[in-house]
Amino acid sequence: QLQLQESGSGLVKPSQTLSLTCAVSGGSISSGGYSWSWIRQPPGKGLEWIGYIYHTGSTYYNPSLESRVTVSIDTSKNQFSLNLRSATAADTAVYYCARGGSRPFDIWGQGTMVTVSS
Amino acid sequence: EIVLTQSPGTLSLSPGERATLSCRASQRVSSSYLAWYQQKPGQAPRLLIYGASNRATGIPDRFSGSGSGTDFTLTISRLEPEDFAVYYCQQYASSTRTFGQGTKVEIK
Repeated sequence: QLQLQESGSGLVKPSQTLSLTCAVSGGSISSGGYSWSWIRQPPGKGLEWIGYIYHTGSTYYNPSLESRVTVSIDTSKNQFSLNLRSATAADTAVYYCARGGSRPFDIWGQGTMVTVSS
Repeated sequence: EIVLTQSPGTLSLSPGERATLSCRASQRVSSSYLAWYQQKPGQAPRLLIYGASNRATGIPDRFSGSGSGTDFTLTISRLEPEDFAVYYCQQYASSTRTFGQGTKVEIK
């Protein structure tokens, strides 16, 4: 059964880059024509889609974050990653990786809390 | 960007009662590319419904979705104790994927 697991720094200083990786297990990230997404949720608030990527490397981003976001994929390691530059306190959130984007988000990681603070 | 507005913000009901949740879109959601998710505290969201009315794998049949165009509904026919949670709608029709702000279903 497919599983996703986020990892990365839980504390980021303002103006620095937030970096996370999502490891996919139980299946290949390259199969089935799926897209792979990042979604975040500030404490006590709703969900915000950040962007998604196909195994080909094609990416689609939320326009509100596009200038600061890069999503990349490493099919040899069966994982995909998020870089969010120039982080501010407003980027403090639980970050989820999920399968989907072009389709509904049908499998989610457990989420990882990232705090932006000096 | 398609804005999704969910109502009510909070629904207070008792186990066994019927829950009706609304999601209204600011523009037509083409091909009914509308999904519903359930989120419990400290957990990731879980896909319940996709394509406005199709239950995801393993979702009990007390959950049903309906609607088209700009108006969509999630119905829980008889609330079980494990159904008290926050529910989000989400559209995947436009290039910018968006979520509603959520409806909390709480125990009355």
